[in-house]
Amino acid sequence: QKEVEQNSGPLSVPEGAIASLNCTYSDRVSQSFFWYRQYSGKSPELIMSIYSNGDKEDGRFTAQLNKASQYVSLLIRDSQPSDSATYLCALSGGSNYKLTFGKGTLLTVNP
Amino acid sequence: DAMVIQNPRYQVTQFGKPVTLSCSQTLNHNVMYWYQQKSSQAPKLLFHYYDKDFNNEADTPDNFQSRRPNTSFCFLDIRSPGLGDAAMYLCATSTQETQYFGPGTRLLVL
Repeated sequence: QKEVEQNSGPLSVPEGAIASLNCTYSDRVSQSFFWYRQYSGKSPELIMSIYSNGDKEDGRFTAQLNKASQYVSLLIRDSQPSDSATYLCALSGGSNYKLTFGKGTLLTVNP
Repeated sequence: DAMVIQNPRYQVTQFGKPVTLSCSQTLNHNVMYWYQQKSSQAPKLLFHYYDKDFNNEADTPDNFQSRRPNTSFCFLDIRSPGLGDAAMYLCATSTQETQYFGPGTRLLVL
């Protein structure tokens, strides 16, 4: 049984700061990792995927994966109020294409 | 634009009155999923189809059924909605592991 742990927050950062969101997981066979952003009342939106150890950057977002330590993180640089949302960590490791989600971290960026 | 579409966006039903939610996709993805999400909780997988192969999660109540008549469409049937079934219902599609979500249907049970 895969488990994905996230700090539920809320995580509050000032505008322009770096927001750091963390996720740990229990299953060593997990191969693919995803970060989804979910605004209140809306559906999850994929913002990053990462498959290999190390960093992956896309604009203001950087995903970091460390399979040995079983954690994946998301850094948001120059945080904006529009980044205020719940961030869901998800992982996949099998051939059945199923994702296991964490409960999400609520991020609030204060102007 | 290729996308995942869900209808209706909001559905109000009465306790025990059957309801059907629909999902369509123009992505031509072979896998489709139905999730239930309640407030402040992670999405909970109800079922998924790999092509026409139906896969039911072990803890999905019998009250929930699904149909996939073709690649593009998938339906979620709730035979006798209870108050506890009020939630956001999310449809997603994928070709491999990356899932793309539709906008969701918010179900209210009176």
